[in-house]
Amino acid sequence: EAQVTQNPRYLITVTGKKLTVTCSQNMNHEYMSWYRQDPGLGLRQIYYSMNVEVTDKGDVPEGYKVSRKEKRNFPLILESPSPNQTSLYFCASGFRENTEAFFGQGTRLTVV
Amino acid sequence: RKEVEQDPGPFNVPEGATVAFNCTYSNSASQSFFWYRQDCRKEPKLLMSVYSSGNEDGRFTAQLNRASQYISLLIRDSKLSDSATYLCVVNTYDYKLSFGAGTTVTVRA
Repeated sequence: EAQVTQNPRYLITVTGKKLTVTCSQNMNHEYMSWYRQDPGLGLRQIYYSMNVEVTDKGDVPEGYKVSRKEKRNFPLILESPSPNQTSLYFCASGFRENTEAFFGQGTRLTVV
Repeated sequence: RKEVEQDPGPFNVPEGATVAFNCTYSNSASQSFFWYRQDCRKEPKLLMSVYSSGNEDGRFTAQLNRASQYISLLIRDSKLSDSATYLCVVNTYDYKLSFGAGTTVTVRA
């Protein structure tokens, strides 16, 4: 089954404790991206990647890191999480920027 | 100014009604336009792409007005299952997708 898989689905952590949210797709997509969704603000792009070893900042990259060492994986790293990073996070992938983006099921992160 | 703006609603309509709503975008260089559907904070899913000439997919009709920089979505013969948040998505350049905050539609029996 074609899908984008994120883990974990839910996470509660403490300020400053490094965490990684994994994202994997099995559709051989070149494009992958991370978004956060907050009430009233819609989805905002954090980072995106056009291919292996090619990443770029989105609208809200501060406090996040990514890597794209393999085509299928695009982990999101929070080196020192803070409460303002409490949000719903989505990973997405697609063949190109003008085609359908497929989303993972989301990760609900709470930083206390 | 936000790149993509939507009326948040909610639009509360009876089954069988027609409901329509718009989305405006700020960048005249925008190239691609989409409507996504999102159920109750689950992942967004593509509802339909929006083409310059307008397009239909069953009960859903999307229109693009480049001169006024807005796109619209019309839902005919609303079903209970159409209750969701509809996200307007605009591709500006180089993989940068801009999302509206969403329009909530509730269809009542």
